[in-house]
Amino acid sequence: DARVTQTPRHKVTEMGQEVTMRCQPILGHNTVFWYRQTMMQGLELLAYFRNRAPLDDSGMPKDRFSAEMPDATLATLKIQPSEPRDSAVYFCASGLVLGAREETQYFGPGTRLLVL
Amino acid sequence: SQQGEEDPQALSIQEGENATMNCSYKTSINNLQWYRQNSGRGLVHLILIRSNEREKHSGRLRVTLDTSKKSSSLLITASRAADTASYFCAQGTGRRALTFGSGTRLQVQP
Repeated sequence: DARVTQTPRHKVTEMGQEVTMRCQPILGHNTVFWYRQTMMQGLELLAYFRNRAPLDDSGMPKDRFSAEMPDATLATLKIQPSEPRDSAVYFCASGLVLGAREETQYFGPGTRLLVL
Repeated sequence: SQQGEEDPQALSIQEGENATMNCSYKTSINNLQWYRQNSGRGLVHLILIRSNEREKHSGRLRVTLDTSKKSSSLLITASRAADTASYFCAQGTGRRALTFGSGTRLQVQP
């Protein structure tokens, strides 16, 4: 049963600390998405990659957030330095996108981040 | 900013009743998808309808799409307590990633 995995599932940290979230997409998927979900803003797209290349990171605060795909089995989202307003649930999703057709996205369980 | 909006924002019904959620969007689309999110979990894909389709069924789910009105509806028939969740529509435009709406919170009372 293929699924997207995310680690850690929960993270509590203090303001100013670095936070790294990891995602393992489903094997064979060529597109990876990072989302942030809060009660106030809902589900926001932060960045996404296709074939490991960043396609769009316009939703991400560039000064403190960075997203990378070191290889096809790992995507990372880093926040440095973290701030209380970064508290949210961060979801990774993967999908197989062919041409210009968006198909189904498969979501991981999320990382619940609390910055004190 | 989110392109799609679900209506209503919250819906409470009794088990066995039908639940209807609506989604409106602004741009032209290739497809429209519906996702479910249980509390504390990630989103789960329910159904995808393409822009040249008008209706699609999957089990107790029925989705309609009206591209002239830029709207879609999700009907859950004979609802169960386990259907309690948030439901999101997402628009696929072929130009960028899916755009998710703000969701409808469905509560099914046993």
